[in-house]
Amino acid sequence: GNSVTQMEGPVTLSEEAFLTINCTYTATGYPSLFWYVQYPGEGLQLLLKATKADDKGSNKGFEATYRKETTSFHLEKGSVQVSDSAVYFCALSDRTGNTPLVFGKGTRLSVIA
Amino acid sequence: NAGVTQTPKFRVLKTGQSMTLLCAQDMNHEYMYWYRQDPGMGLRLIHYSVGEGTTAKGEVPDGYNVSRLKKQNFLLGLESAAPSQTSVYFCASNLGIAVSYEQYFGPGTRLTVT
Repeated sequence: GNSVTQMEGPVTLSEEAFLTINCTYTATGYPSLFWYVQYPGEGLQLLLKATKADDKGSNKGFEATYRKETTSFHLEKGSVQVSDSAVYFCALSDRTGNTPLVFGKGTRLSVIA
Repeated sequence: NAGVTQTPKFRVLKTGQSMTLLCAQDMNHEYMYWYRQDPGMGLRLIHYSVGEGTTAKGEVPDGYNVSRLKKQNFLLGLESAAPSQTSVYFCASNLGIAVSYEQYFGPGTRLTVT
């Protein structure tokens, strides 16, 4: 079945450091890929998405590129801020349209000033 | 436009008690979902609905029931609460299960079963 594996957290970075959160997936066909973010005390919200191979999703300085050859969708940001402290979830959507989103377990990021 | 709302925000139950969590969305979405979030486990799908009057089981459906009598509402019921059901519950909705449809999440309900 479909699955998403993302790096274990927590990740602690200093402000302005470079961020990478790894995400790899297993799926039949060509899924759509998503990153969701959960700020403290809130629900999840979509951060970015990519719907086909080599697409790059971007938002709020975050980027992720859909790499079919390595089945990966790693999240990156060049310079993190304290306000980026949150839990980040990688997810995939099966293109058959028969199953709901599959989420990774989440990676907690803490950015310190 | 309130998006996805959940009622209540917090609840404490004793083992064996029952309760219903209400999810409401005002975006005319066809699909709705209930998840639970536990430390180290990420989000796990409990039940979902692909339209008014329909429900389907997710990854962890045991001990829960759901109903979708109106398109805008999705109810999650616990008939006999157990401590293992202590969790944060999230409702979500979207237009459908399709290639790029974004899921919109509610703020969550924190349930403690003692």
